[in-house]
Amino acid sequence: GQNIDQPTEMTATEGAIVQINCTYQTSGFNGLFWYQQHAGEAPTFLSYNVLDGLEEKGRFSSFLSRSKGYSYLLLKELQMKDSASYLCASGGITGGGNKLTFGTGTQLKVEL
Amino acid sequence: NAGVMQNPRHLVRRRGQEARLRCSPMKGHSHVYWYRQLPEEGLKFMVYLQKENIIDESGMPKERFSAEFPKEGPSILRIQQVVRGDSAAYFCASSPSRDMGSPLHFGNGTRLTVT
Repeated sequence: GQNIDQPTEMTATEGAIVQINCTYQTSGFNGLFWYQQHAGEAPTFLSYNVLDGLEEKGRFSSFLSRSKGYSYLLLKELQMKDSASYLCASGGITGGGNKLTFGTGTQLKVEL
Repeated sequence: NAGVMQNPRHLVRRRGQEARLRCSPMKGHSHVYWYRQLPEEGLKFMVYLQKENIIDESGMPKERFSAEFPKEGPSILRIQQVVRGDSAAYFCASSPSRDMGSPLHFGNGTRLTVT
């Protein structure tokens, strides 16, 4: 089965750093994805981790620990436009495809 | 814009009617996934298709729901005899390959309202 947990909502200040945590319990784990979703819009791909460690991509970084079933998304130099829902998803192969199991998302609010 | 195109963006149906949701994947993508998103819930996998084949439909309700991805034309998610509980946002995603780590590219979704 698949189970993914992440906080429901977080608030942070413009210019600050925020870390969004995600824990997962999955069978057939094939990597951890992070997506950003603004209200009423499509989820957009942010990052993918399959090996332990930190992946940095501009203001966004993502970390994975497979032994702990844990990941986090780090957002630096927060901007107002970063206010969105951040979705953690585990990848699993189905018939060769890349089927994702999503958490409920963390609603991030960036304030002045 | 060569992104994933879904239409209609909004769809209103009365109970008992049929809903047809369309999805054109990104150019060059032959793998299509449908997800459903209910308010306050995460995206739930429904079905994974490749051209003319259903690969995994483990997330599809057993009745009233069907999906296809014909050789020509968009992928279609069809819901027969809709009920109020079908009201949700339905997202389509595509990918260029089935490789592990190949990210899914999502469309803007179809918001279905059943009255």
